[in-house]
Amino acid sequence: AQSVTQLDSQVPVFEEAPVELRCNYSSSVSVYLFWYVQYPNQGLQLLLKYLSGSTLVKGINGFEAEFNKSQTSFHLRKPSVHISDTAEYFCAVSLYNFNKFYFGSGTKLNVKP
Amino acid sequence: NAGVTQTPKFRVLKTGQSMTLLCAQDMNHEYMYWYRQDPGMGLRLIHYSVGEGTTAKGEVPDGYNVSRLKKQNFLLGLESAAPSQTSVYFCASSYGGASTGELFFGEGSRLTVL
Repeated sequence: AQSVTQLDSQVPVFEEAPVELRCNYSSSVSVYLFWYVQYPNQGLQLLLKYLSGSTLVKGINGFEAEFNKSQTSFHLRKPSVHISDTAEYFCAVSLYNFNKFYFGSGTKLNVKP
Repeated sequence: NAGVTQTPKFRVLKTGQSMTLLCAQDMNHEYMYWYRQDPGMGLRLIHYSVGEGTTAKGEVPDGYNVSRLKKQNFLLGLESAAPSQTSVYFCASSYGGASTGELFFGEGSRLTVL
């Protein structure tokens, strides 16, 4: 099974500050990478995805992520967060030609006024 | 457009009881998945299906069974519930699996086993 590591379980940050949520994965083969967001008492929704091409991926709500193959990382960034970004964020990976998605343990982003 | 609908949303069971969670999607997706979410452990795949009439085991299949008799429905069954199965269960669907890159999730079903 693939392994997805989210190094921070909780990240507190003040409103309008930048934030980076870290994600590393273990795989010796090519992968697809995703970030999902979960607001309280809701299901997950896709923020952004890397399937191929440019290693810098832009998603919804001003988030972006960079795929770094040599470091097997896919960190999520936002230059200026809002209160409404308070949620739990999940990194996920899937192998090429494979239909299972593996999720990390999640990072709770708490944006303070 | 309902998307992915899970029923019931909440359920309390006693140890040893059985129940079925229903997932229905109206997007004509081929792939459907059942995950459980536990604090600090993210989402773990229980079972999945790549098309009507097919099912496969995920990471944590023990104690669960599934069926996909109709393309739009994916049922998750617990034959004899245990307290370790207390969790939030999420159903998800996808048009083309990983290559299309997006899972659509239901709102979750919270199960408590006493």
